[in-house]
Amino acid sequence: EAGVAQSPRYKIIEKRQSVAFWCNPISGHATLYWYQQILGQGPKLLIQFQNNGVVDDSQLPKDRFSAERLKGVDSTLKIQPAKLEDSAVYLCASSGPGIRMNTEAFFGQGTRLTVV
Amino acid sequence: GENVGLHLPTLSVQEGDNSIINCAYSNSASDYFIWYKQESGKGPQFIIDIRSNMDKRQGQRVTVLLNKTVKHLSLQIAATQPGDSAVYFCAENDMRFGAGTRLTVKP
Repeated sequence: EAGVAQSPRYKIIEKRQSVAFWCNPISGHATLYWYQQILGQGPKLLIQFQNNGVVDDSQLPKDRFSAERLKGVDSTLKIQPAKLEDSAVYLCASSGPGIRMNTEAFFGQGTRLTVV
Repeated sequence: GENVGLHLPTLSVQEGDNSIINCAYSNSASDYFIWYKQESGKGPQFIIDIRSNMDKRQGQRVTVLLNKTVKHLSLQIAATQPGDSAVYFCAENDMRFGAGTRLTVKP
């Protein structure tokens, strides 16, 4: 079974630029998560989707971050404009199959963003 | 979600010894808990989970204990190996993580 795919693996941008990350979850997984992990800290949940609907985006900085999952499969996370403090690893995870409660999530390798 | 935190940020053990990693949670309504292992440069990897109707669950070399009275979770690793060196996180139903504990195994 293929795992959660993320791209790009690394990204370096200047502050005030825009950036987008892509995630392809495990086939059949209805729930998708985006996390921000700053070096030395635990992953911080940014947004959770169930199919194409948002379940929890309470920790998403909506003035600059946006995420979508239009067809309930792939998802993109965008930052516009980026700040220096956005430098982190952005992790995508999915759980399923279908809409299953209380089940483990599987993580991708993440995208390491450096804002200079 | 409420805070999921860890008692100790670092733990160093000798190869072959048993390791115990602790986690405190504050949401008494949580009924599902997961332990993840994260190696450098990788995403978190599922280790073991436990539901609130249990107080102990065993896997291969790992045991998770749940004490709902004091809202405490622990991960026990038997005969710790160098490959166990990583950061360990616990999470609840809402998939929010604490700061993690870094486990270092000395040969």
